Amino acid sequence: DAGVTQSPTHLIKTRGQHVTLRCSPISGHKSVSWYQQVLGQGPQFIFQYYEKEERGRGNFPDRFSARQFPNYSSELNVNALLLGDSALYLCASSLGTVGAEQYFGPGTRLTVT
Amino acid sequence: AQSVTQLGSHVSVSEGALVLLRCNYSSSVPPYLFWYVQYPNQGLQLLLKYTSAATLVKGINGFEAEFKKSETSFHLTKPSAHMSDAAEYFCAVANRDDKIIFGKGTRLHILP
Repeated sequence: DAGVTQSPTHLIKTRGQHVTLRCSPISGHKSVSWYQQVLGQGPQFIFQYYEKEERGRGNFPDRFSARQFPNYSSELNVNALLLGDSALYLCASSLGTVGAEQYFGPGTRLTVT
Repeated sequence: AQSVTQLGSHVSVSEGALVLLRCNYSSSVPPYLFWYVQYPNQGLQLLLKYTSAATLVKGINGFEAEFKKSETSFHLTKPSAHMSDAAEYFCAVANRDDKIIFGKGTRLHILP
């Protein structure tokens, strides 16, 4: 079975632009979570979606938004990009039950210039 | 709020030596504790998970971790380091909402 997939793998954007990152969960998984990992730091929780509803949100500005589609894939959108948004964005999927293991994708490396 | 602290941003051990990576969680006992490993330019891979069923948790690749409530610790160990163990290791905690809170990570270097 395929693992969690993310696209694109790398992305370079200019300050002020908008970006959309995509994630496809493992087949059968209904929950998707997004994390931001700045170089040299641990991942920071951004969003969690379960059955297309937002289940949790981390301490990120409103420039960050996400959604989950009927097939459980997900998009993370970031508006008005700042240099500080440069990071590895990780997607994780799980069955969505309490304590279920989260499986991470390889991430999307976003560079804002 | 739950949090984890990893002691030592870099740890170096000789090949064949004991690996010990330290992690302390905040005072309230979390439902779930994890160790993840991240190889360069890759996502995170789950090494092991504590769910209160047993205090000694065995994971993949010969790693294990022991939950000690009295010390609020969940240290990761491996009896004999291998060159392939060189990576970044993250301790993490999750509440029943499944939001994972990660530590800042410890980079493990293996010396030949």
